[in-house]
Amino acid sequence: EPEVTQTPSHQVTQMGQEVILRCVPISNHLYFYWYRQILGQKVEFLVSFYNNEISEKSEIFDDQFSVERPDGSNFTLKIRSTKLEDSAMYFCASRRLAGGNYEQYFGPGTRLTVT
Amino acid sequence: GNSVTQMEGPVTLSEEAFLTINCTYTATGYPSLFWYVQYPGEGLQLLLKATKADDKGSNKGFEATYRKETTSFHLEKGSVQVSDSAVYFCALSDRFTGGGNKLTFGTGTQLKVEL
Repeated sequence: EPEVTQTPSHQVTQMGQEVILRCVPISNHLYFYWYRQILGQKVEFLVSFYNNEISEKSEIFDDQFSVERPDGSNFTLKIRSTKLEDSAMYFCASRRLAGGNYEQYFGPGTRLTVT
Repeated sequence: GNSVTQMEGPVTLSEEAFLTINCTYTATGYPSLFWYVQYPGEGLQLLLKATKADDKGSNKGFEATYRKETTSFHLEKGSVQVSDSAVYFCALSDRFTGGGNKLTFGTGTQLKVEL
């Protein structure tokens, strides 16, 4: 069964450094998402991406964040200058159809630790 | 805005006990409702869903009914097993708010099932 994959599984970085989290969505999916979960808190929406552009973003997704689909398979989240409060589990998700089917498939997550 | 409220955990049950995890929601439109499960060390997996009022979602012995009059989507299982130990997230997707049908999650309820 196809699945969403994410790399790395755990990333440790120093405050102020740039990080790129990578995701490979399911191949025939059209919508892509990033969510994050700070330890012990709820899963929060960051951004959705469709047709090579951001379709919606949350207030968390400020100028320090960017997303890109650099080729036909990868979907990346970049944090330009990490802060301690960016430490969280980051989940990528994808969905097959634009409208109609609302089921999102999630990857296993990347745990980001900012020191 | 949209929100999801879940009962707080952790919930500890004996094997074969009856499970209820309460979930209520607030939405501006006509949401689809979901239960996701997160096993230790893994990502989020869709457990079940319901897309309109009075729909019942079911999977692996779990059930939840979309109750528009009480804005609820409580998760139930008649007889839990140790393997059901996980964190359960209630979520909604409001198809009429545009954008990418982002998911709004509750805080999650940890379930621990003991022998």
